[in-house]
Amino acid sequence: GAVVSQHPSWVICKSGTSVKIECRSLDFQATTMFWYRQFPKQSLMLMATSNEGSKATYEQGVEKDKFLINHASLTLSTLTVTSAHPEDSSFYICSASTPANYGYTFGSGTRLTVV
Amino acid sequence: AQSVTQLDSHVSVSEGTPVLLRCNYSSSYSPSLFWYVQHPNKGLQLLLKYTSAATLVKGINGFEAEFKKSETSFHLTKPSAHMSDAAEYFCVVRAQGDGFKTIFGAGTRLFVKA
Repeated sequence: GAVVSQHPSWVICKSGTSVKIECRSLDFQATTMFWYRQFPKQSLMLMATSNEGSKATYEQGVEKDKFLINHASLTLSTLTVTSAHPEDSSFYICSASTPANYGYTFGSGTRLTVV
Repeated sequence: AQSVTQLDSHVSVSEGTPVLLRCNYSSSYSPSLFWYVQHPNKGLQLLLKYTSAATLVKGINGFEAEFKKSETSFHLTKPSAHMSDAAEYFCVVRAQGDGFKTIFGAGTRLFVKA
């Protein structure tokens, strides 16, 4: 149980375009989802917390207009990187949470490369 | 506020020898603690978790960790390393009182020599 599917697993896009990453909880309802970013050989950095039906809470230094998060249902959250630039290239990972499992279920990650 | 410190950025062991990856935490609440493993270009896999039950927690692949409140530690151990254990390991703290915010340690790279 508690499976999180993240799609796509990798994406290459041109500078200036937008990319959407999906995070789905397959067998449970996720009231809270978390989005992380990981730079090469570094730890995960929490970008934002999204709660179903309300606006996401962004961590300090994360541009909310650049990283749009939508959590419209209990099983789906999306992260859209708008007007992507090469410095946005990174590994993005989502985590889906309910109060029962304290959000320890992670997606498999998305490798974004902006060229 | 919460924080987690992984005391070693990298650890190197020989195959068949014990593994010790150290983690200290700080939390204003009763924390839940986790260890995750990440292989190159992969997502995170949960090894084990502590959520206020037994202080000695057994996980997958022969790993275990002991929660020591007096020492604010949650070190990860394995009696005998295998080549497939080579990966990045993250110690994670999370507390209900902090909105379930997850704080990751910086990670420890485990190298296993033949």
